[in-house]
Amino acid sequence: ILNVEQSPQSLHVQEGDSTNFTCSFPSSNFYALHWYRWETAKSPEALFVMTLNGDEKKKGRISATLNTKEGYSYLYIKGSQPEDSATYLCALYTDKLIFGTGTRLQVFP
Amino acid sequence: EAQVTQNPRYLITVTGKKLTVTCSQNMNHEYMSWYRQDPGLGLRQIYYSMNVEVTDKGDVPEGYKVSRKEKRNFPLILESPSPNQTSLYFCASSLFWGTGETQYFGPGTRLLVL
Repeated sequence: ILNVEQSPQSLHVQEGDSTNFTCSFPSSNFYALHWYRWETAKSPEALFVMTLNGDEKKKGRISATLNTKEGYSYLYIKGSQPEDSATYLCALYTDKLIFGTGTRLQVFP
Repeated sequence: EAQVTQNPRYLITVTGKKLTVTCSQNMNHEYMSWYRQDPGLGLRQIYYSMNVEVTDKGDVPEGYKVSRKEKRNFPLILESPSPNQTSLYFCASSLFWGTGETQYFGPGTRLLVL
């Protein structure tokens, strides 16, 4: 069974700091890699769908890169805001979605 | 509004008392699935359905049943719940399966089995 790992498990940053976290996986045999944002008491919402090696996606202050050869994806948040506080999940899309355990981000004002 | 709905949102029950968690989507999606979320573990797939009348087991199907009689509905059935099924459950859907489509998640159902 493929194992998708995310690090760190949790992160506490000050408002205005930039931050990044990692999703790593052992295989390049997949259709896509998903990033989801999951706020407490809400449902996970899709951030990015990444499909190609070297793929880079951006949405406002959040961006993501994918390196299939090395087996990792990075999620970057520039100038973190308290509303960015959430758990960020990555998932490998193969014959099913394999989720990592998430990185829980807390941004303090 | 395009959405996935689940009911109930919270449920406390006792061991052995059959229950059903409903899931419905209004986006005409072919693919639907159920996940459970437990502390320290990633979302794990219970069952999935590629289309009407087509269902299959995910990674943790024991103790669960599903049905897909209509495209929009995908109920999760616990015939005889046990305490180890205490968890947060999510239903999700996507247009179809196979090329990386985004999954749309329901709001979650928090289940406690005593």
